[in-house]
Amino acid sequence: GAVVSQHPSRVICKSGTSVKIECRSLDFQATTMFWYRQFPKQSLMLMATSNEGSKATYEQGVEKDKFLINHASLTLSTLTVTSAHPEDSSFYICSARVYSGNTIYFGEGSWLTVV
Amino acid sequence: DQQVKQNSPSLSVQEGRISILNCDYTNSMFDYFLWYKKYPAEGPTFLISISSIKDKNEDGRFTVFLNKSAKHLSLHIVPSQPGDSAVYFCAATLLSNFGNEKLTFGTGTRLTIIP
Repeated sequence: GAVVSQHPSRVICKSGTSVKIECRSLDFQATTMFWYRQFPKQSLMLMATSNEGSKATYEQGVEKDKFLINHASLTLSTLTVTSAHPEDSSFYICSARVYSGNTIYFGEGSWLTVV
Repeated sequence: DQQVKQNSPSLSVQEGRISILNCDYTNSMFDYFLWYKKYPAEGPTFLISISSIKDKNEDGRFTVFLNKSAKHLSLHIVPSQPGDSAVYFCAATLLSNFGNEKLTFGTGTRLTIIP
């Protein structure tokens, strides 16, 4: 079964509004989670590293004020796309490492469409 | 700077034959490599991984080979099945860097298994 769960799997929002995507680790604690995005027919690109109890670390070129990340607990990280624009439409995926094994698991992904 | 490269965007293989997907990397610090399979609009699914201290890892129909001197890894699938048709991403990370195990992905190879 899934060890990392994302919600919602699909969301449509109006331009200018904000949308929140949740990433939960199931049955394990994740002090660090990662957020990626994938544009059609492109690779997965790391957006930011989400650290429990501290500020996220953003990759170069990613607007931290636009993509708000909150890692308030050891099992939940949220990504909020603020003032969404059509160009933010993408597939967003989170991941977390299970420390009992050397494997990094991904959530199911969230498809965001901004209209 | 593309640190992980998959130079073949697509590959077609006859069912029952061997599929070989290749991946090259430039960062010699990477110590852990993973292969993921991805269907459209779904999160990546972990397939197999290999540590830099090994040169081969096998799991069922999947075998990953690592050539550190050439900075090259490959995924072998044998026998190939129609359900293997998907996009395959290789990824690399510094697993020893706890809390910062972000993955760097290749651009993906679309594998099509011909019945």
